Amino acid sequence: SQTIHQWPATLVQPVGSPLSLECTVEGTSNPNLYWYRQAAGRGLQLLFYSVGIGQISSEVPQNLSASRPQDRQFILSSKKLLLSDSGFYLCAWSPPSNTIYFGEGSWLTVV
Amino acid sequence: DQQVKQNSPSLSVQEGRISILNCDYTNSMFDYFLWYKKYPAEGPTFLISISSIKDKNEDGRFTVFLNKSAKHLSLHIVPSQPGDSAVYFCAASALSSGSARQLTFGSGTQLTVLP
Repeated sequence: SQTIHQWPATLVQPVGSPLSLECTVEGTSNPNLYWYRQAAGRGLQLLFYSVGIGQISSEVPQNLSASRPQDRQFILSSKKLLLSDSGFYLCAWSPPSNTIYFGEGSWLTVV
Repeated sequence: DQQVKQNSPSLSVQEGRISILNCDYTNSMFDYFLWYKKYPAEGPTFLISISSIKDKNEDGRFTVFLNKSAKHLSLHIVPSQPGDSAVYFCAASALSSGSARQLTFGSGTQLTVLP
């Protein structure tokens, strides 16, 4: 069966520091991969998606970037965090069908 | 511009009764709809989906209804249980360029089932 893991689960970072959130998927090949963010009191916003290694599409202009160095690995990064980057970040994957499956999420607090 | 709207931020229902969660969308290109359930500090869990070629899909206590002419869908939970208390997200999907489907989410409805 397929599983998705992301880490770290919680992170407190000072403004201006870098960020790296990692996500891996197991049990499938060539998945579509996604990064979503849920800001406090708001819905889920798509940040990035990837249909293959090295292929990244960005949905919103922002302080973040994503990379896909391997087929089942998706990384969310920032060189300098802003206070507004605080939120709950979710990695997700989808098979060729339409359903997207989410990881456990990572809480980021920028102080 | 919110393409998927959940106008009720919260809903309280008595245990054993029906919970009805509503969702409206504006993009006529959406052709696949999903409901997710989310507990605090956890990732959303997929509940049920429906394709635009159908108007109803049922899975146990969960039924999703789609009214394409009204651009409206709803999730019915019968009977409601205290463990159903969570935030429910409606999501809609359209095939985008590059053959990747993306989900557009509503803002969520907090369901509280009272014992």
